[in-house]
Amino acid sequence: AQSVAQPEDQVNVAEGNPLTVKCTYSVSGNPYLFWYVQYPNRGLQFLLKYITGDNLVKGSYGFEAEFNKSQTSFHLKKPSALVSDSALYFCAVRDPRTGRRALTFGSGTRLQVQP
Amino acid sequence: DAGITQSPRYKITETGRQVTLMCHQTWSHSYMFWYRQDLGHGLRLIYYSAAADITDKGEVPDGYVVSRSKTENFPLTLESATRSQTSVYFCASRGIASGANVLTFGAGSRLTVL
Repeated sequence: AQSVAQPEDQVNVAEGNPLTVKCTYSVSGNPYLFWYVQYPNRGLQFLLKYITGDNLVKGSYGFEAEFNKSQTSFHLKKPSALVSDSALYFCAVRDPRTGRRALTFGSGTRLQVQP
Repeated sequence: DAGITQSPRYKITETGRQVTLMCHQTWSHSYMFWYRQDLGHGLRLIYYSAAADITDKGEVPDGYVVSRSKTENFPLTLESATRSQTSVYFCASRGIASGANVLTFGAGSRLTVL
């Protein structure tokens, strides 16, 4: 089975400071990993993905994430937070070996960036 | 308009009523998905479809029915709505091309069952 854990319900950070949103996963094989962002009353928007290759992946709006196989983690990071980054962030995983085509999502982390 | 659209965006119904949420995509994506979003649970997969006339259950399929007679449409029906089905429902789609693992989501349908 594939699963994702986002241990923090909410992360608070001051504007201009670096931010990290944590994600750990569990799959039996090599994972496909994703981050999505959700703004109020909107659907989820894709931020970035890790499929293979470089462990550090860069995505939209200055976000990046580092795949760490030994720690089974895929934390989302940004060097300098903006107030407009305040939103709900979801980590998701898929194990391509299982043939399961759907993503499994974490419970979400609300990011609050204070001016 | 190109994209993935859901209707209705908001729906209030009563326990026991049948409700159908519509999902339409214009990309001819093979895969389509229905998720529900609930506080503390994130998104949970209800049903998905790999192609027209091919559907499969997800994590929480009980009380829901889907069909896929055309590639572009994937309606979700609650045959007899219950209060526990009050939720926000998201439809998503993706293509089959290599690397095309990214899901594109609709704006969501907020359903309240009284």
